[in-house]
Amino acid sequence: AQSVAQPEDQVNVAEGNPLTVKCTYSVSGNPYLFWYVQYPNRGLQFLLKYITGDNLVKGSYGFEAEFNKSQTSFHLKKPSALVSDSALYFCAVRVLSGGYQKVTFGIGTKLQVIP
Amino acid sequence: GAVVSQHPSWVICKSGTSVKIECRSLDFQATTMFWYRQFPKQSLMLMATSNEGSKATYEQGVEKDKFLINHASLTLSTLTVTSAHPEDSSFYICSARAGGWGSDTQYFGPGTRLTVL
Repeated sequence: AQSVAQPEDQVNVAEGNPLTVKCTYSVSGNPYLFWYVQYPNRGLQFLLKYITGDNLVKGSYGFEAEFNKSQTSFHLKKPSALVSDSALYFCAVRVLSGGYQKVTFGIGTKLQVIP
Repeated sequence: GAVVSQHPSWVICKSGTSVKIECRSLDFQATTMFWYRQFPKQSLMLMATSNEGSKATYEQGVEKDKFLINHASLTLSTLTVTSAHPEDSSFYICSARAGGWGSDTQYFGPGTRLTVL
């Protein structure tokens, strides 16, 4: 069974500082990895994805994530946090399961950027 | 970007009644739509995958007779919670995939909060 772990319920970071939101996964086969963001009272929005190729993936709003196969991790990063980045972040993994695709989400990490 | 809407955004119903939630893709055709359930402080749980014109594929443990899914067109999928009970109270989110099987990105609706009294 595939699983996604986001070990931190909440991450606090000062505005302007770099931020990291952690994600590790467990799958059989090659994973497709995603990050989504959920702002208050809004639906989830796609940030970035890793399929193949360069391990460092750049996405929306200045976010990036690095795929590390040996550590089975896909941490989300941003060099300089903004207060507007405060939201709930979900890591997800997609693999084939029984002939169809299945996406599994992490529990979510609340990011709080402090002015 | 692609927009997915859900209606209603919030519903309260009495135990034993049925509730229908609509999920629409507003500016694209969605061959596949997904229904998720989100519990507080828990991960999104995939309930079922809905393909236009065919029966939905339900995840293990999800009662297909209780959670009826209809995907009648390329822009509309509905989830009907039949004979709702308080334990069905949750936040239901739909998502839609714009492309075919090879498409990776899902666009999510804003969610529907169901409260069963």
